[in-house]
Amino acid sequence: DTGVSQDPRHKITKRGQNVTFRCDPISEHNRLYWYRQTLGQGPEFLTYFQNEAQLEKSRLLSDRFSAERPKGSFSTLEIQRTEQGDSAMYLCASSLYSIYGYTFGSGTRLTVV
Amino acid sequence: GQQLNQSPQSMFIQEGEDVSMNCTSSSIFNTWLWYKQDPGEGPVLLIALYKAGELTSNGRLTAQFGITRKDSFLNISASIPSDVGIYFCAGPLQGGSEKLVFGKGTKLTVNP
Repeated sequence: DTGVSQDPRHKITKRGQNVTFRCDPISEHNRLYWYRQTLGQGPEFLTYFQNEAQLEKSRLLSDRFSAERPKGSFSTLEIQRTEQGDSAMYLCASSLYSIYGYTFGSGTRLTVV
Repeated sequence: GQQLNQSPQSMFIQEGEDVSMNCTSSSIFNTWLWYKQDPGEGPVLLIALYKAGELTSNGRLTAQFGITRKDSFLNISASIPSDVGIYFCAGPLQGGSEKLVFGKGTKLTVNP
């Protein structure tokens, strides 16, 4: 495994449903990040883990959003009671140190109908 | 808060032409990162800059860390069709945050 893996690549869901995304980072990276990207915008920070500890959360991460990294390896991002405004690309990234840049996964494209 | 402004928003060029784009901020950055994103994919790191005035190359790409530490430039020489994509600048926030802030990107189209 040489990259960050995200699953699923695409998800279409009805408004009000819950969705969960998975991210498998590069194995030696202890830092894991979730970003959201909407059309015409750059990625926006959602949350950050160092090992299993969630150390930063954005105000963008409403109460309907929760992220976990239970054993300091893979991470999940859950959105409860999805809204149309949640439609976006959800990007996961990992790194050793942020100043060296992240390695991003290919993202999960969420469409809420 | 710290924001990154990229220009131009989009560029349409002919294959073989050179390209220049820039990124500016009202705040000082100590690191500048340039990413490229292909449609439907995550961004890929192209170049990282760590020192004011630094000039770094990666193949046909050259990036510079501005002297004021409030800007950075990316040049692509002799563009080819696979250079098509969106180019983002990014940098870590001050104060020890692990968060990267991104610009809105420059969309590059290369006509063969």
